[in-house]
Amino acid sequence: GQQLNQSPQSMFIQEGEDVSMNCTSSSIFNTWLWYKQDPGEGPVLLIALYKAGELTSNGRLTAQFGITRKDSFLNISASIPSDVGIYFCAGPPNAGGTSYGKLTFGQGTILTVHP
Amino acid sequence: DAGVIQSPRHEVTEMGQEVTLRCKPISGHNSLFWYRQTMMRGLELLIYFNNNVPIDDSGMPEDRFSAKMPNASFSTLKIQPSEPRDSAVYFCASSLLAGHTDTQYFGPGTRLTVL
Repeated sequence: GQQLNQSPQSMFIQEGEDVSMNCTSSSIFNTWLWYKQDPGEGPVLLIALYKAGELTSNGRLTAQFGITRKDSFLNISASIPSDVGIYFCAGPPNAGGTSYGKLTFGQGTILTVHP
Repeated sequence: DAGVIQSPRHEVTEMGQEVTLRCKPISGHNSLFWYRQTMMRGLELLIYFNNNVPIDDSGMPEDRFSAKMPNASFSTLKIQPSEPRDSAVYFCASSLLAGHTDTQYFGPGTRLTVL
């Protein structure tokens, strides 16, 4: 089946630094979603991307849908301690088919921010 | 608006006991998903429903696991008998299939500990 590979697996940064993470696939995705999971909570949607080349921002977060439709990037500017958590990329498998809303998730990037 | 509601939030039980996890999806959503999250295996899709009908249960680990969705506003995941290796956080998520929207909304999860 289609898999999503996220990198890096974990990051340890200082408050105020910028963060970049990415997600790649061997197959084409028509939608890319980025979720964040706070400790002890369920994943929450941050940004949704629906068009190749699309660049979308949500506050200090910016995500891009890769031109090849096989990758996506998430950047966080000026990190703060509450950015701590696990960041997941996700997308519906079976591009062009019926997935009933099923999503394939990456394995996540664990972000730690030191004050 | 109420999000996805899961109960209980925490469950501690002894090996061999039956465990029932409950989920109320967001009103109007027509797809429901059960996931399991562990450190070793990350986020795993167990089963998902569309319009109350199970679509794919290939992620259910064993016959000890079963899930039902008797109506559009309620689903259960049952483990009988439970084993220590079932200890994990179980998430329920729901989505509304409309156009190309595949966004899933997650509940807060049930943390299960089997002693």
